[in-house]
Amino acid sequence: AQSVTQLDSQVPVFEEAPVELRCNYSSSVSVYLFWYVQYPNQGLQLLLKYLSGSTLVESINGFEAEFNKSQTSFHLRKPSVHISDTAEYFCAVSEYGNKLVFGAGTILRVKS
Amino acid sequence: DAGVTQSPTHLIKTRGQQVTLRCSPKSGHDTVSWYQQALGQGPQFIFQYYEEEERQRGNFPDRFSGHQFPNYSSELNVNALLLGDSALYLCASSFWDRENQPQHFGDGTRLSIL
Repeated sequence: AQSVTQLDSQVPVFEEAPVELRCNYSSSVSVYLFWYVQYPNQGLQLLLKYLSGSTLVESINGFEAEFNKSQTSFHLRKPSVHISDTAEYFCAVSEYGNKLVFGAGTILRVKS
Repeated sequence: DAGVTQSPTHLIKTRGQQVTLRCSPKSGHDTVSWYQQALGQGPQFIFQYYEEEERQRGNFPDRFSGHQFPNYSSELNVNALLLGDSALYLCASSFWDRENQPQHFGDGTRLSIL
């Protein structure tokens, strides 16, 4: 059975500082990996995805994540955060069939 | 291009009642999945519909049932509501035959049970 562990429930960080949100997964087969972001009172928005190929994937707003198969990790990073990045971030894993298994989420709080 | 739409946005019910939530998928998508997100937790998979049939189901009791219509829209029904059913219910849509395409989520229905 698949599972996802997000190691930090909350991450406070100052504006323009770097940040890393950690995600580890377990699965017995090849998987697809995703990061979703949820702003208050909204649904989930896809941030980035790893399907195959290059282990480093990037989003259009400066986030990146690296797939590490040996460590079964898919950590999310941004070199310089903005106040507008304050949100909850969910890591998710999917095997065939699009059923997503989510972690418990990490709240990113960016302070000025 | 309309995304995933859900109705209603908020709903208040009492224990023992029944509720129906509705979802229209993103234009072109043929598969609908439902998730329950309790406060402070990640979404949990309830079930998935394609071609008007339930294709996958998560660990939820039979009180949770669904339906998909020929236009791909879907309903989630919950009977005999419990306090623990209070949550944000999210609908997601995707293409059935493109397994590596991400799901698109609606803004959810927040269900409160009194």
